[in-house]
Amino acid sequence: DTEVTQTPKHLVMGMTNKKSLKCEQHMGHRAMYWYKQKAKKPPELMFVYSYEKLSINESVPSRFSPECPNSSLLNLHLHALQPEDSALYLCASSQAETGVFSEQFFGPGTRLTVL
Amino acid sequence: AQSVSQHNHHVILSEAASLELGCNYSYGGTVNLFWYVQYPGQHLQLLLKYFSGDPLVKGIKGFEAEFIKSKFSFNLRKPSVQWSDTAEYFCAVLSSNTGKLIFGQGTTLQVKP
Repeated sequence: DTEVTQTPKHLVMGMTNKKSLKCEQHMGHRAMYWYKQKAKKPPELMFVYSYEKLSINESVPSRFSPECPNSSLLNLHLHALQPEDSALYLCASSQAETGVFSEQFFGPGTRLTVL
Repeated sequence: AQSVSQHNHHVILSEAASLELGCNYSYGGTVNLFWYVQYPGQHLQLLLKYFSGDPLVKGIKGFEAEFIKSKFSFNLRKPSVQWSDTAEYFCAVLSSNTGKLIFGQGTTLQVKP
């Protein structure tokens, strides 16, 4: 299985809602990532998890809260988002043996719209 | 600081024309380079990658890229484009000790039938 899966594919939420994005991989990868991508722009790194521990937070606002319950799953909890947070949210995973990170495999993304 | 620069923001070609998209990087460590493609409404797909070895790398769909260390470049080429190559193309460099993947700003390729 060389796939990274993400659910839901689409999400519409109000500014007072709480929702979660989910990501799963079964490639045995020990690093997982969240990216945000606006239209016609490159993905921007948000968070990196390595061996279920948060290793990088790219100064992301606290209304985005990541969680890595186990080595195959990555969640992104959303609360009190703003309309400008509307974007495609991409999850990725990679090997991370002995502290060396390798090629990232991307999921199809969740298209988020905040009203 | 690590950075990736893509010179062409928007390229328009006719079918069967040759393609070369420029990519320059600035990174002090071991270089791992990638080209990704994103077709309209679809997710990011890996076209090709360079980690070490032969600097001429062949990828999917007839694409290739050449790593020129002295020029800090990793340009993407295709001898003859098709309408189906219309997409957004991203060059990226990986920091292998942090996992950070740094993308260029992207090039929009439009191929006219």
